[in-house]
Amino acid sequence: ELKVEQNPLFLSMQEGKNYTIYCNYSTTSDRLYWYRQDPGKSLESLFVLLSNGAVKQEGRLMASLDTKARLSTLHITAAVHDLSATYFCAGINNNDMRFGAGTRLTVKP
Amino acid sequence: GAVVSQHPSRVICKSGTSVKIECRSLDFQATTMFWYRQFPKQSLMLMATSNEGSKATYEQGVEKDKFLINHASLTLSTLTVTSAHPEDSSFYICSAVQGSSEAFFGQGTRLTVV
Repeated sequence: ELKVEQNPLFLSMQEGKNYTIYCNYSTTSDRLYWYRQDPGKSLESLFVLLSNGAVKQEGRLMASLDTKARLSTLHITAAVHDLSATYFCAGINNNDMRFGAGTRLTVKP
Repeated sequence: GAVVSQHPSRVICKSGTSVKIECRSLDFQATTMFWYRQFPKQSLMLMATSNEGSKATYEQGVEKDKFLINHASLTLSTLTVTSAHPEDSSFYICSAVQGSSEAFFGQGTRLTVV
């Protein structure tokens, strides 16, 4: 069974600072996803990473994938308050999709 | 991106009644649909995986007689919570995948059993 571990679980950042969320997974994952969830809402897709070395960027967020290390990272650059949310990574193997525990990000002025 | 519509978004029901939640892929055919349950401030827990035309595969500890899943077509899967009790109150989310593409999520259903 695919296991996904995410850290940190809680992250309090100041505006303008950079930080990285880490996502490790236990077995081969066909794809690696990053999602954002706002309170009371469903998941919003941020990135889908398909292959080793994949890097994708959207605004202040950049995601990367290292399949050899079974590690994906979500890097936040110059955080702003609007980025406050819970971020989940998820892997999928043989149609079995599993989520990390989530990182609750709070960006403070 | 593709759209997955989940309905209803909120439902309150009496203890002992059944509730049906629908998950539709609006602009693609979903080969696989997943049903998740999320407790407050926790991650998503996979309940079951359903493929069109076949029986759903339930995760360990999920009662298949209580959480009935039907994936009758490539665009519709339903989750029925039978004989609901207050402990079934939760946020239920479906997702749909087309082949090897990304997974798209429904809006979620907040179920409250009183």
